[in-house]
Amino acid sequence: SQQGEEDPQALSIQEGENATMNCSYKTSINNLQWYRQNSGRGLVHLILIRSNEREKHSGRLRVTLDTSKKSSSLLITASRAADTASYFCATDPGGGSYIPTFGRGTSLIVHP
Amino acid sequence: EAGVAQSPRYKIIEKRQSVAFWCNPISGHATLYWYQQILGQGPKLLIQFQNNGVVDDSQLPKDRFSAERLKGVDSTLKIQPAKLEDSAVYLCASSLERLSYGYTFGSGTRLTVV
Repeated sequence: SQQGEEDPQALSIQEGENATMNCSYKTSINNLQWYRQNSGRGLVHLILIRSNEREKHSGRLRVTLDTSKKSSSLLITASRAADTASYFCATDPGGGSYIPTFGRGTSLIVHP
Repeated sequence: EAGVAQSPRYKIIEKRQSVAFWCNPISGHATLYWYQQILGQGPKLLIQFQNNGVVDDSQLPKDRFSAERLKGVDSTLKIQPAKLEDSAVYLCASSLERLSYGYTFGSGTRLTVV
């Protein structure tokens, strides 16, 4: 299966600082997606980056994709306490087979 | 746009009992997924539907789990009989197309088996 693995497993920062988390995967992809999950809730889609894109922005979020290294990073700038959540990446390998899988996620705590 | 609706929100049952979860995806979303998320882990795909057909159920424990999506809209996931290790959050998600442009998840059903 096409599984993304996030690191670090946990990240603790102060409000206003930037948070960077990474995702690595094993085989070629069609696109990669980042999701946020607040405690006890479902996942919220944040951003999707396609294999032919290198960088994408959405508000305070910046996602990069390096297909040669099979890795992606999610940067949250000027973090807020409300950004406290778990962050997951999911990969779409494209083609006829598509089993979307998630890693264990990065647990981000932003201290006010 | 209404989100993905799931019910119940919480369920506590004894082992060996049966339980059913319901999901109503976003209108027009052809693809529907059921995920199991054990505490501290990422969501694990159980079954994927495209309209009312099963695309993948390779990770569904078919001896106790079953799912259906009648008429290609609502879906139910059933566990019978439940085991202690089935305690988890069961998430339903839908997307517009199989080659996803991003999923929309429901809030999930938290199942506790005692």
